[in-house]
Amino acid sequence: GAGVSQSPSNKVTEKGKDVELRCDPISGHTALYWYRQSLGQGLEFLIYFQGNSAPDKSGLPSDRFSAERTGGSVSTLTIQRTQQEDSAVYLCASSSQTGGGSPLHFGNGTRLTVT
Amino acid sequence: SQQGEEDPQALSIQEGENATMNCSYKTSINNLQWYRQNSGRGLVHLILIRSNEREKHSGRLRVTLDTSKKSSSLLITASRAADTASYFCATDEGSNYKLTFGKGTLLTVNP
Repeated sequence: GAGVSQSPSNKVTEKGKDVELRCDPISGHTALYWYRQSLGQGLEFLIYFQGNSAPDKSGLPSDRFSAERTGGSVSTLTIQRTQQEDSAVYLCASSSQTGGGSPLHFGNGTRLTVT
Repeated sequence: SQQGEEDPQALSIQEGENATMNCSYKTSINNLQWYRQNSGRGLVHLILIRSNEREKHSGRLRVTLDTSKKSSSLLITASRAADTASYFCATDEGSNYKLTFGKGTLLTVNP
């Protein structure tokens, strides 16, 4: 597809389970971002990839959160031992270049509900 | 804390009216961007304005930037029901890669 694709679109999981969220960026986009959006809130930066490297992981809320990117393309965000406060929409975005002067292209997000 | 803060938090207008949303930020920026988010969807880039620009237009959108006041405004003219969405400003805080988003303005355009 032409846009950023995220899967699953919805995920309901029990507290304590691990979840894996997937992001397929736009082909050729070297920069990839994960953000989290809680109900009625703005976007919280989680992590940034340039190629397969993650020079900025500063937004990851705890060591239960990890992310990787392979082949300069697909990225997965893993949350271990999920907690109810992890419930949110997780948004992935890609960009053709770094720099605040480049628009981000967002996927439609994964809505995570931890019960 | 959020770099960009939009004002108002919510705005309700009639179709055909103009809508103005404001964004304030705290630190120096290179660029400021505006995004739109329809319910249940991702964000869509609307317009980017650089720190050395004061005004920019795109269709029915007009963005202004006042770096001395650290503020920006987004004007949507002749609004349509389809403009109903949340609007976010995003700043780079001088970063060369990260955008920081505000909490957004929820715009409702009534037919």
